[in-house]
Amino acid sequence: GENVEQHPSTLSVQEGDSAVIKCTYSDSASNYFPWYKQELGKRPQLIIDIRSNVGEKKDQRIAVTLNKTAKHFSLHITETQPEDSAVYFCAATDSWGKFQFGAGTQVVVTP
Amino acid sequence: GAGVSQTPSNKVTEKGKYVELRCDPISGHTALYWYRQSLGQGPEFLIYFQGTGAADDSGLPNDRFFAVRPEGSVSTLKIQRTERGDSAVYLCASSLAITGELFFGEGSRLTVL
Repeated sequence: GENVEQHPSTLSVQEGDSAVIKCTYSDSASNYFPWYKQELGKRPQLIIDIRSNVGEKKDQRIAVTLNKTAKHFSLHITETQPEDSAVYFCAATDSWGKFQFGAGTQVVVTP
Repeated sequence: GAGVSQTPSNKVTEKGKYVELRCDPISGHTALYWYRQSLGQGPEFLIYFQGTGAADDSGLPNDRFFAVRPEGSVSTLKIQRTERGDSAVYLCASSLAITGELFFGEGSRLTVL
């Protein structure tokens, strides 16, 4: 089955700097890779996703890159702001729809 | 509201008791997922449904856990003979398609004393 590993587990950045979170997956059949943001005590919410036929996707300050050969994908947040502080989860799934999540990255943006 | 609804939001029970957690997905979403999240961890897959049938139940930890979705909408996660290790937040999510965006509920926090 799919196994998703996520690093780092915690990330502290200065406001305005960039943050990068990396995930690796094991199943070459995985073809959809979403990223979820979870604020304290709240539900996870999708912030960006990428499918296996695309190498990079960008949405304002957030971008995701995918390297299918190496089986890893990354989340990039530029110009970080205090409201970016949260836990971020990567996930992977194949066409059968069984999503496996990473363990999460606690991002702290300090003013 | 049109979001995923989970009840109860909090459940405290004693070891050995039976518990039911309910999930009401977004109308029209055929895929429904159950995850378990412990403090500081990512969501752990339990089971997911396509319509009324369980498409994959490989994440259920043992036979004390069971889930149903009899009419293809509301789902109930049932836990028998609860143990302290079952304490966690149980998240439900629904999706329009099996590889589409997951919409999560607020979760049901289960505490087994």
